[in-house]
This record gives sequence, structure tokens and C-alpha cells, in this order.
Amino acid sequence: QVQLVESGGGVVQPGGSLRLSCAASGFTFSNYDMHWVRQAPGKGLEWVAFIRYDETAKYFADSVKGRFTISRDSSKSTLFLQMNSLRTEDAAIYFCARGREGYSYAFDYWGQGTLVSVSS
Amino acid sequence: DIQMTQSPSSLSASVGDRVTITCRASQYINNFLNWYQQKPGKAPKLLIYSASSLQSGVPSRFSGSGSGTHFTLTISSLQPEDFATYYCQHSYETPLTFGGGARVEIK
Repeated sequence: QVQLVESGGGVVQPGGSLRLSCAASGFTFSNYDMHWVRQAPGKGLEWVAFIRYDETAKYFADSVKGRFTISRDSSKSTLFLQMNSLRTEDAAIYFCARGREGYSYAFDYWGQGTLVSVSS
Repeated sequence: DIQMTQSPSSLSASVGDRVTITCRASQYINNFLNWYQQKPGKAPKLLIYSASSLQSGVPSRFSGSGSGTHFTLTISSLQPEDFATYYCQHSYETPLTFGGGARVEIK
């Protein structure tokens, strides 16, 4: 069965960096577009970033552009989110999500999320 | 950016009720609209994609309709496990955006 397991969250000071990982299993990772979506505590959902299956396209929300980068290692079936210059407003649960086959801007499988806290 | 507006933001309903949630896009998005269900402490779950297509494994009491800028999610007969928050999301272009959510509570 499809599984997505995020890791790497934690507490970081404003201006700091974190690297999130998402380990995928149960499907051919190299064939699927992937996303990061976040949710601040008690708030709604916010799309963060997208990476095409072959890394030929990467897109970001304006709120993270220039600070976050997305990458993937298909040999390890792992998705990454490098977060630099973190701000208090970046505090959230970060979910990785798979793009639905043939309609990849819908998210058909999600991980359980990893919590990022930004505080001095 | 395309703004998504959901209404109502919350509602109270009883088991067996027919429930309708509305989502409006700030500009034309054809049928590039998806619906998710989220329960407390859990990841969202895809219910409907492309405005009206039922995701595999989702009960048929869930349905979606609409095109252009106006969309609806309908639950034909509310079940106890359906009490949750529902989000619409457009997939027309990046940045992808979600509606603010509609919380369905027990009456």
C-alpha cells in the first residue's frame, strides 16, 4: 500500500534552517509528481511546493519562494524540502503528498505530517 | 492568485441529513476543483477530483458538481464518520490554493 512518512521537523529559531524528508513506499516513486502542503496549528491548508517526477519543473508558493527548495532522490524514493531563513509564520505541520496520476495538481495520498516550530 | 471561498464555514447537521457545501473561485477554473475531508489530527483525504469524479474507495454518498467558478460538495445522507472539516482546492495553475474549510458538526 502507498505510504508516505515525513521526518525532520523540530524546533528552530527564526532565521534558522531545517531539511524535511518524506520516504515513499508502495508505488513507483520516480513516476509521480510530488508536493509539500502545510497547515499552521488550528488553521487551513496551504500548498507550499511542487516537483515534477523528473525534476524538470519546480514551483513554490510566493510565501516561501527564494527561501525553500524542493528536491527528490528517486534512487531512495525520498522527497526533500530544504527550508532556510525560517520565520515564525512558517510554523506548521508539513505534509508531503503525491500528485494524482494524470491529474497531478490533486493530492491523492498524504503522509502523517511533521511539525515545524519556529521560536526564539 | 486564485482565491477560493467556501460557505458555510461551519454547519450543524444530523445523521441522515443531506449536506451541501459551496466553493467559489475568484476567476474561471473550468472543472479544476478538488475536495478533501480532514479529521482532527489526521492528514486530509481526497474525496472528489476534477469537480465531479469520485476518488477510488470514497463512498458514493459524496458527490461534486460545478464548473467555471461555482462548485458544490454534497453528502446525500450524513453518516457519523462524516463529521469533519472539508476543503476545496483548485488545480488550475500554480499557486494551488485551498478554501478556508467547512466544519461539519453534530447537531
